[in-house]
Amino acid sequence: DTEVTQTPKHLVMGMTNKKSLKCEQHMGHRAMYWYKQKAKKPPELMFVYSYEKLSINESVPSRFSPECPNSSLLNLHLHALQPEDSALYLCASSQGTRGGETQYFGPGTRLLVL
Amino acid sequence: AQSVTQLDSQVPVFEEAPVELRCNYSSSVSVYLFWYVQYPNQGLQLLLKYLSGSTLVKGINGFEAEFNKSQTSFHLRKPSVHISDTAEYFCAVSSGNQFYFGTGTSLTVIP
Repeated sequence: DTEVTQTPKHLVMGMTNKKSLKCEQHMGHRAMYWYKQKAKKPPELMFVYSYEKLSINESVPSRFSPECPNSSLLNLHLHALQPEDSALYLCASSQGTRGGETQYFGPGTRLLVL
Repeated sequence: AQSVTQLDSQVPVFEEAPVELRCNYSSSVSVYLFWYVQYPNQGLQLLLKYLSGSTLVKGINGFEAEFNKSQTSFHLRKPSVHISDTAEYFCAVSSGNQFYFGTGTSLTVIP
């Protein structure tokens, strides 16, 4: 099973709302990632968790708050977002964090901020 | 520092014709290279990867790529494309726990 699942598939929120994105994998992977992808652009790395600890934060605004409750789950908490945060949010996982590890991507959550 | 260049942002090709999507990289360390495909409204799916060994790598859906160290290239090829190959294709280089993606090539297969 090489599946990464993400919920919800679509999300519309106002700028004052609080919402969360959820990502799950059952491959025993110890690294998980959040990416933001705008239309016709490559994914941009936001956060990396390695062994449930945040190892990389690519200068993401504090209105995005990641959480890794256990090795299978990754959440992204959203608060006071801006319209420019509208994008496809992708989760990925890999066995570890050595070079050459394949990242397996979920289908994404398409977020619209009004 | 690692970087990936995909020179062709859009590639139109007729059905059953061959196609090559170009990828060049720069890396100061060991090179691990990947090609991913993204169909509309979906996540990224691994097509193939080069870690070491044979420079010709075969992937899913009839795609293959050749690693050329002297030209720092990792071009993706398919001898005969199908309508279902219409998608966005991303080349990436891996370093530690980070991927460095190219800007993508939009492949459109024309009936």
